[in-house]
Amino acid sequence: GENVEQHPSTLSVQEGDSAVIKCTYSDSASNYFPWYKQELGKRPQLIIDIRSNVGEKKDQRIAVTLNKTAKHFSLHITETQPEDSAVYFCAATLNTGFQKLVFGTGTRLLVSP
Amino acid sequence: DVKVTQSSRYLVKRTGEKVFLECVQDMDHENMFWYRQDPGLGLRLIYFSYDVKMKEKGDIPEGYSVSREKKERFSLILESASTNQTSMYLCASITGGAAEKLFFGSGTQLSVL
Repeated sequence: GENVEQHPSTLSVQEGDSAVIKCTYSDSASNYFPWYKQELGKRPQLIIDIRSNVGEKKDQRIAVTLNKTAKHFSLHITETQPEDSAVYFCAATLNTGFQKLVFGTGTRLLVSP
Repeated sequence: DVKVTQSSRYLVKRTGEKVFLECVQDMDHENMFWYRQDPGLGLRLIYFSYDVKMKEKGDIPEGYSVSREKKERFSLILESASTNQTSMYLCASITGGAAEKLFFGSGTQLSVL
């Protein structure tokens, strides 16, 4: 089955800096890779995702890159703001029509003013 | 607005008690999931269901069972609660097909004393 590793477990940056979170997956058949953000005391919410037929996807200050050969994908946040502080989870799945997401262990991002 | 509702935000139970965690979604989703969230371990899948009366074990099903008698409701049952089941439990749902977005409930923080 799929296994997803996520690093780092915690990340502290200054406001305005960039943050990068990395994940690796084990199942080469996985083809869908979402990222979820969980603010303190709230439910996880999807912030961006990428499919295996795409190498990079951007949405304003957030981008995700995928390297299928190396089986890793990364979340990039530019110009970080205090409201970006949260726990971020990567996930992977074989999107065959029934989704069983396997999540990474999470990264706690702290953006200091 | 889409909703996944978990019946309790906080629960305190005693060792050996039978515990029911309820989850209801109003989006007519086929697939429903129960995850457990622990610090440093991320989101781990306990059980999932892709149709009424259908269930599949996730990665950590031991000590748990589930019930899905109606499409909108997915219950997690702890047959005999133990202290190592103290955790945050998150329910989620997603539509069938090549869906993209997992909708989470707000979670139930269970403490077993």
